[in-house]
Amino acid sequence: NAGVTQTPKFQVLKTGQSMTLQCAQDMNHEYMSWYRQDPGMGLRLIHYSVGAGITDQGEVPNGYNVSRSTTEDFPLRLLSAAPSQTSVYFCASSPSRGYGYTFGSGTRLTVV
Amino acid sequence: AQTVTQSQPEMSVQEAETVTLSCTYDTSESDYYLFWYKQPPSRQMILVIRQEAYKQQNATENRFSVNFQKAAKSFSLKISDSQLGDAAMYFCASSDTGRRALTFGSGTRLQVQP
Repeated sequence: NAGVTQTPKFQVLKTGQSMTLQCAQDMNHEYMSWYRQDPGMGLRLIHYSVGAGITDQGEVPNGYNVSRSTTEDFPLRLLSAAPSQTSVYFCASSPSRGYGYTFGSGTRLTVV
Repeated sequence: AQTVTQSQPEMSVQEAETVTLSCTYDTSESDYYLFWYKQPPSRQMILVIRQEAYKQQNATENRFSVNFQKAAKSFSLKISDSQLGDAAMYFCASSDTGRRALTFGSGTRLQVQP
């Protein structure tokens, strides 16, 4: 049982490049979400999904795109990377809202 | 919209002693859940304890317990018999029906002195 798998673990991008952060879970969880963690600011919600085909915006969605075509996968796309998107990104999943979320190990992204 | 506030950026405790981390929250919903997560230097997010808002009884998990004061919208975490392995960032979080994901506080860094 792998839990929540995020790839890559580290990435350096140049300003203006695009990329996709991958997130996959093998627990058949309906709820999935993406967060970014910046020093002194905790984790902030980017986008979330309550099931395949259903996504919604969080607190800081600008510059990011998501889709959920399967229960297992919830990729996060950076459309045109900016230095302000330098952060650690976490994906998480849960079987229901009150159960508690299982987190991936995170992706450290640097945009230069 | 939910908000979660942690007013203690850093705390320190002696090994084997007890420490309490504070958290306040705000939500307009009556149905919500509260959580404490631990983030050690490995950066892995680990669920420590959860509380259902409609339950009066405070949650307990081994050395970890909460003091849930619903009217005051307060949700503090008590760590008893602190161990060196408890040193980490601790995040308070909430989830309600309006947003089916987590809203986090800014975190408290806990140091444990030997």
